[in-house]
Amino acid sequence: KNEVEQSPQNLTAQEGEFITINCSYSVGISALHWLQQHPGGGIVSLFMLSSGKKKHGRLIATINIQEKHSSLHITASHPRDSAVYICAVLLTGNQFYFGTGTSLTVIP
Amino acid sequence: EAQVTQNPRYLITVTGKKLTVTCSQNMNHEYMSWYRQDPGLGLRQIYYSMNVEVTDKGDVPEGYKVSRKEKRNFPLILESPSPNQTSLYFCASSFLRGVQGPYEQYFGPGTRLTVT
Repeated sequence: KNEVEQSPQNLTAQEGEFITINCSYSVGISALHWLQQHPGGGIVSLFMLSSGKKKHGRLIATINIQEKHSSLHITASHPRDSAVYICAVLLTGNQFYFGTGTSLTVIP
Repeated sequence: EAQVTQNPRYLITVTGKKLTVTCSQNMNHEYMSWYRQDPGLGLRQIYYSMNVEVTDKGDVPEGYKVSRKEKRNFPLILESPSPNQTSLYFCASSFLRGVQGPYEQYFGPGTRLTVT
């Protein structure tokens, strides 16, 4: 079962480019989380969204509840942004389902 | 320093030998959870806990047990490990937003388990 679909699976960008990662889900949710997994394996939470848009530095996350879709944008990308970005949906029963991740490489 | 710790970080064991992976957080978080990460499958939730003595199954609970006797600790128990439980395991914790569920999670560093 694939409650959460991410695209693209892999993404290579030149430094400075604007990047968009997409997440679509098929179930009713109470919130959506974006995570970043570093090359060393550590996982950091970037955003939690229930509606609208959030911004933190060069990262912007949006969600459209009606369309069951979220996007993560990175402006002025930098090699240090190279990581795997993971979308996770929180169901009303407090259970999480995850996308398989988008592997981003930013080339200097 | 606010953190989630897991031990051990690496473990190689044999089929059937009971093991426990510990998880501890120092942030007084109500919500704690265990995940496994496998290539091509991503992260999957094993068990989660909303508070002391309250645990629930996630997506892949078979072969695992958990307990939450203290708020800070949430150990993962494999009573009879099998090779298909070879994986990278993460523990995470967060505050609860009342009935809306967990806030953003803090993740432990991961435990790489190999069962031969």
